[in-house]
This record gives sequence, C-alpha cells and structure tokens, in this order.
Amino acid sequence: GAVVSQHPSRVICKSGTSVKIECRSLDFQATTMFWYRQFPKQSLMLMATSNEGSKATYEQGVEKDKFLINHASLTLSTLTVTSAHPEDSSFYICSASGNSGGGNEQFFGPGTRLTVL
Amino acid sequence: AQSVTQLDSQVPVFEEAPVELRCNYSSSVSVYLFWYVQYPNQGLQLLLKYLSGSTLVKGINGFEAEFNKSQTSFHLRKPSVHISDTAEYFCAVSDPGNTGKLIFGQGTTLQVKP
Repeated sequence: GAVVSQHPSRVICKSGTSVKIECRSLDFQATTMFWYRQFPKQSLMLMATSNEGSKATYEQGVEKDKFLINHASLTLSTLTVTSAHPEDSSFYICSASGNSGGGNEQFFGPGTRLTVL
Repeated sequence: AQSVTQLDSQVPVFEEAPVELRCNYSSSVSVYLFWYVQYPNQGLQLLLKYLSGSTLVKGINGFEAEFNKSQTSFHLRKPSVHISDTAEYFCAVSDPGNTGKLIFGQGTTLQVKP
C-alpha cells in the first residue's frame, strides 16, 4: 500500500516558538493532503485540507495564522505551529490522497506528538 | 452534511470470542464508508472500505463489515478476536463528490481479554 511518513515523530518545544511538521507521500503523488489533530482518547479532528499548489482550506474554528500549511509539491506538505502554547500540545496526523488507491482513500502518516512546555 | 456515530465507546471481549463494533452514518448523498484501526501512538491503518457493489466487505486481519443502506449502518465484525486486536477503531464516511474529506466517528476501544 501507499506509504506516508511524518517527521518528526515527537517534538518538545518551549512556549512561543514555532514548530514545523513534515508530511511526505513516499510512493505516490498526493494531490490532496489532510491535517488532523487528535486529543487523548478522542477522535480525529480535521484541521485543514490542502491541494498541491493552492491555499489550504481550514475547518471552522481553526486559526489559519497559527497553523500554517504549505503543500508545495505532490509529495510534501508541511504544518507549522506558530508561537506554540501548551494548549497546542497534541497528536498531529497527516493523510494523503492521490492516484494510488480508489474511492478517495486517505493514507495516514504515523503522527507527530507535540509537547509545548 | 455527513455525520458518523459509533454507538459504543468501549467494547470488552474475551479472546477468541466474536465481536461487532457498531457504526451508523447520516448523509443526504451516496457515500463511501471506511473502518480504520489505530494502535497506541500510531497513525491510522485502513481495515476495509465500501465504495459500491457487494454490501459485505472483507478487510485485513479477518475483519468484515456490512453496508446496510436502509439502516444507514456499517457495522464491523470479526468472528474470533485476538489479543493483538486490542486497539481503537474508527468508522468514517467520505462524500465522493468532494475532495475526499473524511468525517470520523468518536471511536470504539476494543479491549480483548485473555
């Protein structure tokens, strides 16, 4: 199956700093990438949808200036958490959808655990 | 707008027993349906999906699900569970007309006991 990687898998940062998370589709071209946030023992909350070469579409309630998403190529999307605060601590998961697989299947990355001190 | 309801937050079951995880959806249009499994501190892995055709869908690890349009359900079943099946299971619906955005249910924790 299609493989999606995320880097880093874990990151700890100080409050006020910015953190960048990378999401890569390793063996297919991802026309669309999705970013999710997951709190402990809860479901995935879609934050935004990004299409290669265009601006991301954010879900209601998600601050676009705080969570910057860039989808510069068909294999890479990045999520930058700007001026991170402790409440931004969470598990961030990306997924990718493209020509591999059918039925708009999304392939998920392994997630990034962000801890803001 | 679509929505997904997983009726059970936790399902405890003994090893080798059968299990059913329930999922109901709400949508005004035709949808694609998915079941994903998540192991601790990991991303999601697709178990199976329903796109069209046969309403009984077989997936990986011995799981299967049946699409029931009249009851708007997509329950997941396995005839005999293993300890290794202990995980979080998510049902999701995707509107085939859009970019493939998934709406997830709340998740069901399957706890397999020895």
